[in-house]
Amino acid sequence: QQPVQSPQAVILREGEDAVINCSSSKALYSVHWYRQKHGEAPVFLMILLKGGEQKGHDKISASFNEKKQQSSLYLTASQLSYSGTYFCGTLPPQRDKIIFGKGTRLHILP
Amino acid sequence: GAVVSQHPSRVICKSGTSVKIECRSLDFQATTMFWYRQFPKQSLMLMATSNEGSKATYEQGVEKDKFLINHASLTLSTLTVTSAHPEDSSFYICSGMAGRGTDTQYFGPGTRLTVL
Repeated sequence: QQPVQSPQAVILREGEDAVINCSSSKALYSVHWYRQKHGEAPVFLMILLKGGEQKGHDKISASFNEKKQQSSLYLTASQLSYSGTYFCGTLPPQRDKIIFGKGTRLHILP
Repeated sequence: GAVVSQHPSRVICKSGTSVKIECRSLDFQATTMFWYRQFPKQSLMLMATSNEGSKATYEQGVEKDKFLINHASLTLSTLTVTSAHPEDSSFYICSGMAGRGTDTQYFGPGTRLTVL
């Protein structure tokens, strides 16, 4: 079942923070975050495994609450290069295939 | 991260012709490859999963006779759109997964197919 992402779209000014949420109605093994720019393929950002964890690199971090079946992606002090569509992908316990959410479009204004 | 290439990046064809798209993992062996289709401003819709040396597993609603998938080696998978029609026009993206226990998928740059 497709995970639900919120918000659908965000417009920020450079330097502002953003949070993108991803929730599933099913149990999860892991959550995967990708960013896609227009006309390009998705680029892998990070994977979070069950057991509940947080990860981050640079000013982009994420958390995964296994019990709530939710993950959040945090973008701190956003840069123009952060613009794009962010997809979360959820992998169920049987680890057969990742199902992607509908995406969150992020637009950073100078 | 691992690199996946796709060829061609863009193709325009006439209705009724067949188009082959290649997906290669350049610096890792992809035991599993996935094929997605993406319409403008929409999500990635999984079409099929292919494991090297075995038949692909198609998602519900995807015609296996129309979208032929071959995963002949650990570094190459092909998608052939047979008798393409305008409604098949889309952005086709493949991804490769390095191996069991490694769930991360690395995506190719995509192929934009336009059927006239």
